[in-house]
Formats: sequence, structure tokens, C-alpha cells
Amino acid sequence: SQQGEEDPQALSIQEGENATMNCSYKTSINNLQWYRQNSGRGLVHLILIRSNEREKHSGRLRVTLDTSKKSSSLLITASRAADTASYFCATDAIQGAQKLVFGQGTRLTINP
Amino acid sequence: DTEVTQTPKHLVMGMTNKKSLKCEQHMGHRAMYWYKQKAKKPPELMFVYSYEKLSINESVPSRFSPECPNSSLLNLHLHALQPEDSALYLCASSQGLIRGNTEAFFGQGTRLTVV
Repeated sequence: SQQGEEDPQALSIQEGENATMNCSYKTSINNLQWYRQNSGRGLVHLILIRSNEREKHSGRLRVTLDTSKKSSSLLITASRAADTASYFCATDAIQGAQKLVFGQGTRLTINP
Repeated sequence: DTEVTQTPKHLVMGMTNKKSLKCEQHMGHRAMYWYKQKAKKPPELMFVYSYEKLSINESVPSRFSPECPNSSLLNLHLHALQPEDSALYLCASSQGLIRGNTEAFFGQGTRLTVV
């Protein structure tokens, strides 16, 4: 399969703390994207990082990409209760069909 | 308008029923997708349409039949489903295909229960 694992599978922290989620993948990619999903609802795109980029910021989000290790991390700073959701990375492999393949996801709980 | 609208939100159907899921977007996107998501699992790609033509079928059983009547609409016709097909069905669209470094916009999904 194109995708590896996300870790941790579940993360519970206090409001105001930082949350870090990791994603690994198996094949060379064109880009990697992060999505958020509130319970049982649609996914919302957070950030896209291209294979030639190493770091990207958007508001309280910071994404890094290490193509040599085939891994990415998503950091959410100063977490809020509203950040409680599942977070998925998704990759588009360089070879093969053009499609997004999602990782297993991290369930993040922010405790007030 | 940056929405992908899916109807119905919930659907309960028997194994002998025929039903359809509908998806609509008015963002001028030329790629549309169907994903299936089981509880606590990631979305799994089912179909991709590009410029109203089916470009990817991820070996989905024929009891699922996609249709793209025009660039704004995407349907998923369901027939003779099994209880294990119960899941959240997500529609998504993107400006172009993913290789163009575009993000996907997702609808809220249809929660399907097969009884």
C-alpha cells in the first residue's frame, strides 16, 4: 500500500498545549496534504506541502516534510477545544494513478 | 460558493432496494471523487471522474455504479448492497487532478445503513 502509519493513533492533551502528529508513507510523492475531520462529518483541507518544500506554516499549524525519511509532521500550537477532531495525512504518489491516499489518522482530544 | 453538497445526509436501505446518492458542486471543479469511510478508519477511494469521464475505479463491486451527468453533479447508484457496505460515503471535488497540487473539497457525507 502507498501509505504507512500515522502516530500516535490517539492523542489527548490540555488546552493551550501543543499537539504533534506524525505521518509516514512508502513511495515517492508529489505532494502531501493534511485534513481534519470532525466526528462523522466531511474532511476539511488544512495544508498542502509539495515534495520540494521542507516546512510550511498556516496560522497555528506548522507542517514539515522529510522526503528522505518519507515522513511528515503536523504541529498545532496553543491548542483549543475546537481542535478536537481526527487528523489525516494524504499523499499523491509520483508514479501511478493520480489519487489521494489517506493515512490511518490521529484522533486528537483537547481537554478544557 | 466553496461547498460540496451531498444528499441525503442519512439513508437506510434494504438489501433488495435501489437508491442513489447525489453530490453537487458549483466551484467549476473538473475532478470529482467518491470515498467510502468505515468507523475509525481513513477514507478509501472508490471512483475518480475527470472532465466527466471515469478515470479511476478502485475495483469497486458492480453493486456500486457511479454516474457523472455533468460537470457539477456526481451520483452513486446503489443496488443489492450488503450490510458490510454500511459506511459514510464522501464526495469530494478538486479544481484539477491531484497531481496539479490541488486540494480536495469534501461534502459532509451520506451515512448509509444497509439492513
